[in-house]
Amino acid sequence: GENVEQHPSTLSVQEGDSAVIKCTYSDSASNYFPWYKQELGKRPQLIIDIRSNVGEKKDQRIAVTLNKTAKHFSLHITETQPEDSAVYFCAASMTGNQFYFGTGTSLTVIP
Amino acid sequence: GAVVSQHPSWVICKSGTSVKIECRSLDFQATTMFWYRQFPKQSLMLMATSNEGSKATYEQGVEKDKFLINHASLTLSTLTVTSAHPEDSSFYICSASRDLGQYFGPGTRLTVT
Repeated sequence: GENVEQHPSTLSVQEGDSAVIKCTYSDSASNYFPWYKQELGKRPQLIIDIRSNVGEKKDQRIAVTLNKTAKHFSLHITETQPEDSAVYFCAASMTGNQFYFGTGTSLTVIP
Repeated sequence: GAVVSQHPSWVICKSGTSVKIECRSLDFQATTMFWYRQFPKQSLMLMATSNEGSKATYEQGVEKDKFLINHASLTLSTLTVTSAHPEDSSFYICSASRDLGQYFGPGTRLTVT
């Protein structure tokens, strides 16, 4: 089956700096890569996603890049704010019927 | 759109009892729903994939007789934790798939005393 690895497990940045979280996947058949943000005790919320026919996608301060050849994708958050502090999960899916999650990155933005 | 609800949000039960958790897609039909378990500060662990009208597909290591899943309709899946024990205490989250997206319920915190 698919194996998704995520790094780093924890990340601290100063407010205003950028944060980058990286994920790799093993199955080249995966074609959909969402990113979720989970605040303590709450449900994961989809923040951005990318499909395998696209190399990069941006939504305001958040961007995701995908390298299909290397089988890795990354989340980029620019101009970080304290409210960006949360746990972020990457995931990979082939058909939308099965999702494989990374182990999560706990992001702390220091004011 | 794509709202998923979960009930109850928190349940405390005594060891040996059974607990049922409901997952509903409120504004869309979901042929596939997922059940996850999450321990504090850890990732989501997929327990099973619930398919409407058929048996659930359990992940390796998940006891199907302990975690009973029923996907009775296109908007409802239930997870029953049978004969719960303290080690079953956890945060259980369901999700429903729509198109390629996956939408999560708010989660159910189960505490077994």
